[in-house]
Amino acid sequence: GQNIDQPTEMTATEGAIVQINCTYQTSGFNGLFWYQQHAGEAPTFLSYNVLDGLEEKGRFSSFLSRSKGYSYLLLKELQMKDSASYLCAVSSDAGNNRKLIWGLGTSLGVNP
Amino acid sequence: EAGVAQSPRYKIIEKRQSVAFWCNPISGHATLYWYQQILGQGPKLLIQFQNNGVVDDSQLPKDRFSAERLKGVDSTLKIQPAKLEDSAVYLCASSFAFVGGSYNEQFFGPGTRLTVL
Repeated sequence: GQNIDQPTEMTATEGAIVQINCTYQTSGFNGLFWYQQHAGEAPTFLSYNVLDGLEEKGRFSSFLSRSKGYSYLLLKELQMKDSASYLCAVSSDAGNNRKLIWGLGTSLGVNP
Repeated sequence: EAGVAQSPRYKIIEKRQSVAFWCNPISGHATLYWYQQILGQGPKLLIQFQNNGVVDDSQLPKDRFSAERLKGVDSTLKIQPAKLEDSAVYLCASSFAFVGGSYNEQFFGPGTRLTVL
């Protein structure tokens, strides 16, 4: 079957670094996305990894290991506005269709 | 560039009533998705269109939900009749058509928050 696991909740302190992990089991892997979703808003794109390694984009970085079925999102210099849900989604090829398999999201709370 | 438009933003109905949601994707995006997101959970794909054809509706409760995408642009999602458990946010997303490509970032609309009483 296809499955994505990520922690339900995490808390961290303003200015700190936090790592949100995501493990997956899917067929026809074709890339992994991280989305950010603030309460009451739609998800917005953060990062995309299709090759192993680290992708850095400002305060946010995303890592992928395809052999381990593992990714993490690293948030540095945390700010209060980073309090949100972080969704891991895997692009999976199934027959002639390519679709995203979504995790349940990790709710991150940033404390002052 | 205009984003994905959805309406209405909020809707309150009583169970057994009908409701319809509308979505206008980003211009040029051939793929359109409808998701249901229950509070505290990730999005659940209801239906995916490629142009005006359905490519995945495996999780759509077809006894009460229907969707169409006429002319491969706008789309409507209908629930008839609604149940209490349909209370959720309904998200529409679109992505650029891929031909051998691997990058299909989805752009989301603001969503419609449905409350069924």
